[in-house]
Amino acid sequence: GAVVSQHPSWVICKSGTSVKIECRSLDFQATTMFWYRQFPKQSLMLMATSNEGSKATYEQGVEKDKFLINHASLTLSTLTVTSAHPEDSSFYICSARDLGVAGETQYFGPGTRLLVL
Amino acid sequence: SQQGEEDPQALSIQEGENATMNCSYKTSINNLQWYRQNSGRGLVHLILIRSNEREKHSGRLRVTLDTSKKSSSLLITASRAADTASYFCATDLGVTPLVFGKGTRLSVIA
Repeated sequence: GAVVSQHPSWVICKSGTSVKIECRSLDFQATTMFWYRQFPKQSLMLMATSNEGSKATYEQGVEKDKFLINHASLTLSTLTVTSAHPEDSSFYICSARDLGVAGETQYFGPGTRLLVL
Repeated sequence: SQQGEEDPQALSIQEGENATMNCSYKTSINNLQWYRQNSGRGLVHLILIRSNEREKHSGRLRVTLDTSKKSSSLLITASRAADTASYFCATDLGVTPLVFGKGTRLSVIA
């Protein structure tokens, strides 16, 4: 089946630094990717929809200037957490739909665990 | 925003027993999916049931869907300790992203 990868799988950083997370669709093209955030013992909450070649669409309450999304190609979307603070510590998961084959299937990456000290 | 609720929020059973989790949602859907997540890990897709289907089986998993009640259930039969995980339902409206429920934390005691 289709595979979505994320890098890094985990990252620890100091407060105030910026962290970039990459999401790649490995064997299919994704015009749209999605970024979710999951706090401990909670569900996945959609942060934003990443559109190839255009601006991302952010969910209500998600700061677009803090969570920068770039979807530069049909296989790569990046999420940059700018000036990270301890409250940004979370599990970030990306996903993509393979509209070329099975439009109803959304594939998920393995997630990136961010710890901000 | 979240589509709906799962219940129970937490479930603890003995190995060999059946586990039933329920999911309710609010809007019309294209399909509903169930995922498993082990602690600190990524999501594992379990099963997808379309809006025109009422029941689906996969191994020890049985999923039902009642679109009139906007609800679904996941039954795990003959549970094993390895089934210990969080289980989420997710609703699919088509090309929009999946919307997840709050999840059920299942503990299977050996």
